[in-house]
Amino acid sequence: DGGITQSPKYLFRKEGQNVTLSCEQNLNHDAMYWYRQDPGQGLRLIYYSQIVNDFQKGDIAEGYSVSREKKESFPLTVTSAQKNPTAFYLCASKVAGMNTEAFFGQGTRLTVV
Amino acid sequence: AQSVTQLDSHVSVSEGTPVLLRCNYSSSYSPSLFWYVQHPNKGLQLLLKYTSAATLVKGINGFEAEFKKSETSFHLTKPSAHMSDAAEYFCVVSSPWGYQKVTFGIGTKLQVIP
Repeated sequence: DGGITQSPKYLFRKEGQNVTLSCEQNLNHDAMYWYRQDPGQGLRLIYYSQIVNDFQKGDIAEGYSVSREKKESFPLTVTSAQKNPTAFYLCASKVAGMNTEAFFGQGTRLTVV
Repeated sequence: AQSVTQLDSHVSVSEGTPVLLRCNYSSSYSPSLFWYVQHPNKGLQLLLKYTSAATLVKGINGFEAEFKKSETSFHLTKPSAHMSDAAEYFCVVSSPWGYQKVTFGIGTKLQVIP
């Protein structure tokens, strides 16, 4: 079945450690996105990528990094510079072009203790 | 630049009464517009999308949205609320070309009272 897989579903890390969240899609989509969801703030865009080896900062990129070495993969690293990393993280992908909707993974809940 | 404003963070309706969730957008170009729904502990599901073919868009589960360019609005409606409609709803705008940034509103939590 085609879809977007985020792993793990739950992740616990100690403060000061970097952590990488995985996002893989087998939909052959060009564009991929990372969002952070906090209560009352909707989904805020962290990074997005249109093609391999290219990505753009979203609205809240500070403290995060990404790579896009393969079309199907768009991992997100939450670095120790991110002041408040505990959140629900969602990955999405879509076909490039007008009026094409994004498809979402099931999310990773990151808790930093 | 693009943005989307959901005018109500919470909406409460009685079962069987109409639902109205309001969304205004800002865009430098003709945008792509969407509504998504998120049930508790579930992922995001597309309700409907505006494709410029018609200003009144029909979606799943009886929801509709009307695109009004003059008002820069894309409000979501349903004639009769059902208990299963209780969820969080997001209005979304996407740029149609170039770097296709996809921007979400803050969400509206819909409560349905029996």
